[in-house]
Parts: sequence; structure tokens; C-alpha cells
Amino acid sequence: GAGVSQSPRYKVAKRGQDVALRCDPISGHVSLFWYQQALGQGPEFLTYFQNEAQLDKSGLPSDRFFAERPEGSVSTLKIQRTQQEDSAVYLCASSRSGQFNQPQHFGDGTRLSIL
Amino acid sequence: DAKTTQPPSMDCAEGRAANLPCNHSTISGNEYVYWYRQIHSQGPQYIIHGLKNNETNEMASLIITEDRKSSTLILPHATLRDTAVYYCIVRFTHGSGNTGKLIFGQGTTLQVKP
Repeated sequence: GAGVSQSPRYKVAKRGQDVALRCDPISGHVSLFWYQQALGQGPEFLTYFQNEAQLDKSGLPSDRFFAERPEGSVSTLKIQRTQQEDSAVYLCASSRSGQFNQPQHFGDGTRLSIL
Repeated sequence: DAKTTQPPSMDCAEGRAANLPCNHSTISGNEYVYWYRQIHSQGPQYIIHGLKNNETNEMASLIITEDRKSSTLILPHATLRDTAVYYCIVRFTHGSGNTGKLIFGQGTTLQVKP
């Protein structure tokens, strides 16, 4: 079946521009997570949604980062006034329910490069 | 900070079993052990998870010590396609303010050699 889909696969932006990254979770999955992965590091948690509710945004690095999931399915991560340190791979993951014995399934990420 | 310790790298001969260790000495009774792997330029792939008992699926086996302070992921017949970074993660079993987020460490880079 279809997995988690992220678009675009690659994004290049100039410093100061705004970007929007899209995540299509597995159909019917309640939970959705965003992670940021710097080069050579493991992924780091950014934010979590259960349906349309954003229950945890403790990992967002600054107020330039904003995420939404208005209808409880597709999610968008927006970064305003991008900086070079925002260059990373942004990963989205979804799981069937909020139960923690349900594994998270990841997309292949969006590689963001800020020039 | 990650609550697990893994060797930074390991080699394995193709066709042999790969045994990847993980230390999680501070694990609590309400935390699962999860294993993911990440092949270059792909997102992390779920492998297996367990709480107390050993687990096996089509990909791997997970052996958890009786005191739960360490575990071993076993790939029974490693192939070149198993070359990846393997992450061992502890994760709460329920809410009470926890969101179930995964905290990744540095993982173990497994190189399968022909």
C-alpha cells in the first residue's frame, strides 16, 4: 500500500525566503510527527499532531517554524525567513493511532538547502 | 538526550548473522525498545519493537535481557541491502504527557561486506 509521501523531495531557497513542505500520511493514520535531520545526525523531533490537534510543538527551533494539519490528514511545515542553519532533511512520520505500541512510518523526507 | 548506547560502527560478512547490541541501562518498566534503520537518502524504516519478551518478525529478531538493560537486534542472514544506520530507541508505552516521539541517538553504521 501507499506509504508516507513528502513533497517536494528537494527544495533550494535563498536565505530570507519562506518555504512550505508537505506531508501526506498513510490514509487513516491518526498521529503525525515532523522531524529534522542534520547531516550526519539522527532525526530530531519537531512537532506532533493527533488528528488536527497539535499536541506538542516543543521541538520547533524558533517561531519561524510553523506546522498545521487543518483536516487531520495532510500536514504542512512552513519555515519563514529561512536561515542557512535551517538546511536539513525534514522527515514526516505517521502512525495508526496514538498508542505507543504502534510504530511510526516515515517518508523519505524533503532535503532543504538554504543558499 | 538519547537513552541508549550503541557502537558507532560494525562490519558483517554477507550471509552471516548480524548482531547489533544496544545498552539501555536506565530503561523504565513502561518503555518499549524500538529498532529502526536508515538506508542512505531514505527515511527511517521500522524494524521491530518489544517490551519484555523476545520478538521475531520477517525482518529480524529482538533479544531483550531479563533485566531489560540491554538488547540485541539480529539480522539472521545479512545481505548487502542491509547496509544502513541502525537506531535503537526507547519509547514510553503510554501518555501522561508523553507524545510518543522518538529520540534518536547516533546509531550503529552496519557495513555488510561481500
